[in-house]
Amino acid sequence: DTGVSQDPRHKITKRGQNVTFRCDPISEHNRLYWYRQTLGQGPEFLTYFQNEAQLEKSRLLSDRFSAERPKGSFSTLEIQRTEQGDSAMYLCASSLGGQNTEAFFGQGTRLTVV
Amino acid sequence: AQSVTQPDIHITVSEGASLELRCNYSYGATPYLFWYVQSPGQGLQLLLKYFSGDTLVQGIKGFEAEFKRSQSSFNLRKPSVHWSDAAEYFCATRSNDYKLSFGAGTTVTVRA
Repeated sequence: DTGVSQDPRHKITKRGQNVTFRCDPISEHNRLYWYRQTLGQGPEFLTYFQNEAQLEKSRLLSDRFSAERPKGSFSTLEIQRTEQGDSAMYLCASSLGGQNTEAFFGQGTRLTVV
Repeated sequence: AQSVTQPDIHITVSEGASLELRCNYSYGATPYLFWYVQSPGQGLQLLLKYFSGDTLVQGIKGFEAEFKRSQSSFNLRKPSVHWSDAAEYFCATRSNDYKLSFGAGTTVTVRA
């Protein structure tokens, strides 16, 4: 399978714990995006990378959130001191850099904070 | 800021009937527009996209969409719905820096 893959698919954690999610983009894609989707809503942009550079972060991304993309390949999204409000689906997408391109999404990581 | 609105939260359609999902966008210039489909617990799959040119675009799974600048719309259509089309559908627009802005989604239920 050469699509975008995310790991884990599901994560249940206790409030206050740290969690880390991984995203492996399509190999030739230089852009990588993270989105968050809560129940009944469309995905909301969190952050994106071009190669290893993080170019923009949404105001939704509090100080407890950090994302990395070392070497411009896979990316990790870490949430520290999780809160119940962090419960959501975290979606990763990747794309080529041109104007006439589209983003391909992974299956997502469903986070439940109890 | 660019945005899209999906006026219908939920649509129920009979199998074999036609389907139309509405999407309105707000953007001054010609927008990049997309329709994605999401099955329960899954990621998003691209159905079709509009960048420029022919305003009627064909997508996968028998879907098509028409860009109408005069109405600021990009409605999704399918002539004959199958039970497997039951899912949530998202319209999205993309900014020049490649971020997608999604609508709230329309849930489609297909009855036998």
